[in-house]
Amino acid sequence: AQSVTQPDIHITVSEGASLELRCNYSYGATPYLFWYVQSPGQGLQLLLKYFSGDTLVQGIKGFEAEFKRSQSSFNLRKPSVHWSDAAEYFCAVGRRMGGGNKLTFGTGTQLKVEL
Amino acid sequence: DAGITQSPRHKVTETGTPVTLRCHQTENHRYMYWYRQDPGHGLRLIHYSYGVKDTDKGEVSDGYSVSRSKTEDFLLTLESATSSQTSVYFCAIRGDREGHEQYFGPGTRLTVT
Repeated sequence: AQSVTQPDIHITVSEGASLELRCNYSYGATPYLFWYVQSPGQGLQLLLKYFSGDTLVQGIKGFEAEFKRSQSSFNLRKPSVHWSDAAEYFCAVGRRMGGGNKLTFGTGTQLKVEL
Repeated sequence: DAGITQSPRHKVTETGTPVTLRCHQTENHRYMYWYRQDPGHGLRLIHYSYGVKDTDKGEVSDGYSVSRSKTEDFLLTLESATSSQTSVYFCAIRGDREGHEQYFGPGTRLTVT
């Protein structure tokens, strides 16, 4: 079975500082990997995904993530955080074939941005 | 915007009553999903559908049933609501591009008193 670990429940950064949110997954093969963002009272918005090719993927809002097979990680990064980035971030892993293409989500990381 | 709407957006109900939540999509996607979101648990899959009348269980399906009689509608029913089913419920569809990302609706906040 696939699983996802987001080890940081809360992270606080200053506006303009760099950000890295950690995500580790467990899966027997190369998975599909995703990062979503959720603002308070809203649904989830897809930031980026990895499915093949270049292991460094670019997403919306200036975010990027790097797939590292050897570390089973897919960390999310942003070079300079804006106050509007304060939200909850979810990493998710999906199977490439079968199983209804179900996604398994991590428990989320709450990002606070200090002005 | 994947054209997903959920109704109702908010509902308060009493323990033991049946509740049906509706998810509606406008883009003819084959796969649809129901999740619940609770603090400290992230999103957990309740049920999903891979076509009209084709559904399967997720990891937290006890106490829930689903139906899909039309491609555009996926209904989630709590046969007899309990306080443990107080949660925010999200519907999602699976995208058609490689990677099969899911797109989410705005959610339904359900409170069972």
